[in-house]
Amino acid sequence: AQSVTQLGSHVSVSEGALVLLRCNYSSSVPPYLFWYVQYPNQGLQLLLKYTTGATLVKGINGFEAEFKKSETSFHLTKPSAHMSDAAEYFCAVRGAGTALIFGKGTTLSVSS
Amino acid sequence: EAGVAQSPRYKIIEKRQSVAFWCNPISGHATLYWYQQILGQGPKLLIQFQNNGVVDDSQLPKDRFSAERLKGVDSTLKIQPAKLEDSAVYLCASSLDLGVYGTDTQYFGPGTRLTVL
Repeated sequence: AQSVTQLGSHVSVSEGALVLLRCNYSSSVPPYLFWYVQYPNQGLQLLLKYTTGATLVKGINGFEAEFKKSETSFHLTKPSAHMSDAAEYFCAVRGAGTALIFGKGTTLSVSS
Repeated sequence: EAGVAQSPRYKIIEKRQSVAFWCNPISGHATLYWYQQILGQGPKLLIQFQNNGVVDDSQLPKDRFSAERLKGVDSTLKIQPAKLEDSAVYLCASSLDLGVYGTDTQYFGPGTRLTVL
């Protein structure tokens, strides 16, 4: 069965600092992995996804994630945080079908 | 391109009442999903449709929840009777599913926030 664990329910950074949101997965098949962002009172928006090929995936708004099979990880990073990055972030893995299995989410706070 | 539309955005009901949510996916998207997002948790799949057929409803509490997708387009999710633990955001998502299995992006609607008192 597939599952996702997001380490840290809340991460706080200063504007301009590195953002690192951690995600570990468990999958019995080669995983398809996703990061979504959710702003207050809005639906989820795809940041990036890994299916096959290059293990470093670049997404929107300057975010990127690296698939590390040996560590079963798919951590999300951004070199320099912006106030507008404050939101909730969800890591997800494709389940047995095409539906997604989500982690519990990490709330990112950015201070000036 | 219009996104996934959902209504209502908010709903407050008493326990044991019934409620219905509506979703209009992106035009041409074959697959439609309903997810339940309880406060402090990630979304959890309730039901998945491929056109107007059910692909996966293994996590749908069928004694109280029902869903349909008429003509393979709009979908309605119903709860009858509602319980306190049904308080959550109900998210609808759709994807093209062009045959590259599992890689199509799911586009989410804004959700319906249900409060059961």
